[in-house]
Amino acid sequence: GNSVTQMEGPVTLSEEAFLTINCTYTATGYPSLFWYVQYPGEGLQLLLKATKADDKGSNKGFEATYRKETTSFHLEKGSVQVSDSAVYFCALSAQGGSEKLVFGKGTKLTVNP
Amino acid sequence: GAVVSQHPSRVICKSGTSVKIECRSLDFQATTMFWYRQFPKQSLMLMATSNEGSKATYEQGVEKDKFLINHASLTLSTLTVTSAHPEDSSFYICSARATTGVAFFGQGTRLTVV
Repeated sequence: GNSVTQMEGPVTLSEEAFLTINCTYTATGYPSLFWYVQYPGEGLQLLLKATKADDKGSNKGFEATYRKETTSFHLEKGSVQVSDSAVYFCALSAQGGSEKLVFGKGTKLTVNP
Repeated sequence: GAVVSQHPSRVICKSGTSVKIECRSLDFQATTMFWYRQFPKQSLMLMATSNEGSKATYEQGVEKDKFLINHASLTLSTLTVTSAHPEDSSFYICSARATTGVAFFGQGTRLTVV
């Protein structure tokens, strides 16, 4: 079946450090890939997405590239801020949209000043 | 952005009682809502898909008689955990899909059954 494997946390970085959170997936066909973020006390929010191979999703300085050859969708940011502290979830949808999202376990990021 | 309100955020109940969790889309209509469950240090797992005015579609292994889902209007879906037991203690999250196809998530409900 479809699955998402995500780098286990927690991850602790200093402000302005480079961030990578690894995500790989297993799916049949051509799924859509997503990164969601959950700030403390809030619901999950869509951070970025990519719907086909080699697409790059980007938002708020975060980027992730859909790599079909390595079945990966790693999240990166060149310079993190304290306000980026949150839990990040990688997810896929085999049906393209937000139907039946399959999530990774989440990675908690803490950014210290 | 669109807001989905989930209530309550935390609930503690006694074993054997029922608990209702509400999920409301505040500024858009949602023909489809999803209910997820998250165990500690585990992924969010889809429990069921709820379509307005029809019966929910449950994922394999989810007891439909235990987790009652009602989607009576385009802005409200409810999940009722019936005859709750300690193993039902978990974090429940709803999401509502807008006509754009994007799903917006509620804040989640932490259920503790004692």
